[in-house]
Amino acid sequence: GAVVSQHPSRVICKSGTSVKIECRSLDFQATTMFWYRQFPKQSLMLMATSNEGSKATYEQGVEKDKFLINHASLTLSTLTVTSAHPEDSSFYICSARIRQETQYFGPGTRLLVL
Amino acid sequence: QKEVEQNSGPLSVPEGAIASLNCTYSDRGSQSFFWYRQYSGKSPELIMSIYSNGDKEDGRFTAQLNKASQYVSLLIRDSQPSDSATYLCAVNLMIYNQGGKLIFGQGTELSVKP
Repeated sequence: GAVVSQHPSRVICKSGTSVKIECRSLDFQATTMFWYRQFPKQSLMLMATSNEGSKATYEQGVEKDKFLINHASLTLSTLTVTSAHPEDSSFYICSARIRQETQYFGPGTRLLVL
Repeated sequence: QKEVEQNSGPLSVPEGAIASLNCTYSDRGSQSFFWYRQYSGKSPELIMSIYSNGDKEDGRFTAQLNKASQYVSLLIRDSQPSDSATYLCAVNLMIYNQGGKLIFGQGTELSVKP
């Protein structure tokens, strides 16, 4: 399968700081990437769809000014959590779409905001 | 009504038995269906994709799709303790002018007892 990487895998930050998470497709080009968030014992929640060269499409209830997404190249999308607060602590997972709507997931980033 | 429904489980089967996981979906226009496996603390891993009615086999895994009844299932033959994980059913939902996005069920927790 296709390989998607994420960095960092784990981050701890103070409340009020911003955190940037990178998502890379390593062996293919992805015009579309997705960002999900998962709280303990819950399923994946789609936050936004990231399209290369255009603005991201955010799901209802997701603040676009708080979760900044940039998809500047065909292999890299970034999610920046601005002014993070403890309630933003979660498991953030990106995916990249390849043929026939198939998505491959990155390993995830565990964010803890103190 | 949820768009993609799964029994949350846990589903417990003995080692060597067949595990049967079921999923129903509400959008009759969906054309792409996926099963992901998620180990605790890890990101989802693609197991199977299925697009046509009928069965699709890959090793010990068989996906079954019935579009008329709007259900998709996953059978795991000769279940092993290493199969113990949460299995996520995902259905692709096409959004006009936005492309597709995956809608996930809440996942079924499978436990294979030695």
